[in-house]
Amino acid sequence: QVRLQQWGAGLLKPSETLSLTCAVYGGSFSGSYWSWIRQPPGKGLEWIGEINQSGSTNYNPSLKSRVTMSLDTSKNQLTLELSSVTAADTAVYYCASNRYYYDSNGQYYVLPFDPWGQGTLVSVSS
Amino acid sequence: EIVLTQSPGTLSLSPGERATLSCRASQGVRNNYLAWYQQIRGQAPRLLIYGASTRATGIPDRFSGSGSGTDFTLTISRLEPEDFALYYCQQYGRSPKTFGQGTKVEI
Repeated sequence: QVRLQQWGAGLLKPSETLSLTCAVYGGSFSGSYWSWIRQPPGKGLEWIGEINQSGSTNYNPSLKSRVTMSLDTSKNQLTLELSSVTAADTAVYYCASNRYYYDSNGQYYVLPFDPWGQGTLVSVSS
Repeated sequence: EIVLTQSPGTLSLSPGERATLSCRASQGVRNNYLAWYQQIRGQAPRLLIYGASTRATGIPDRFSGSGSGTDFTLTISRLEPEDFALYYCQQYGRSPKTFGQGTKVEI
């Protein structure tokens, strides 16, 4: 069973770059998209973007100009970088995967986010 | 972007009662790729339902999902004490993937 464990700096100053890492245990990158999702304190969930096993990325337009996602297949890790952070970027950040597959007829199916990492609180304050 | 609107914002019920949560999409959800998650304070969300009506592995059968197109419902048939939590719907059929704002089920 796939398990995700994440870590990264928890306190940043405005204008710095957020950097988080998520390690994948019990599985590989193939057959899944790998996403980052965030949740400001007391608020709802926002999808940041995703990356697939080939390194192709798809970012939320609201954050696209500041986001970079990458994979390290040798370490089974994915990383998130978010540049020029402000207080509005204060949130719990989660990594998550969603699998996709093709049936016997070649029809493509995708599944939602499962599993999730444990979450990392990142606070931005001067 | 597909906007998901959940109602009500808060549902006040007692253990043993039935909970009905609604999620309405601003446009049709492709392939009914609509999921429901439960979030307990301080924890990551847990997948309950996917494809609008399929229970995820290990989810009790008191949880059920229904709906298609733009209107979806999560029903908890008989609330257990551990069910009092936050619930989010999410569409994963079209990018950007979006979440509803959540419904809190409280005692």
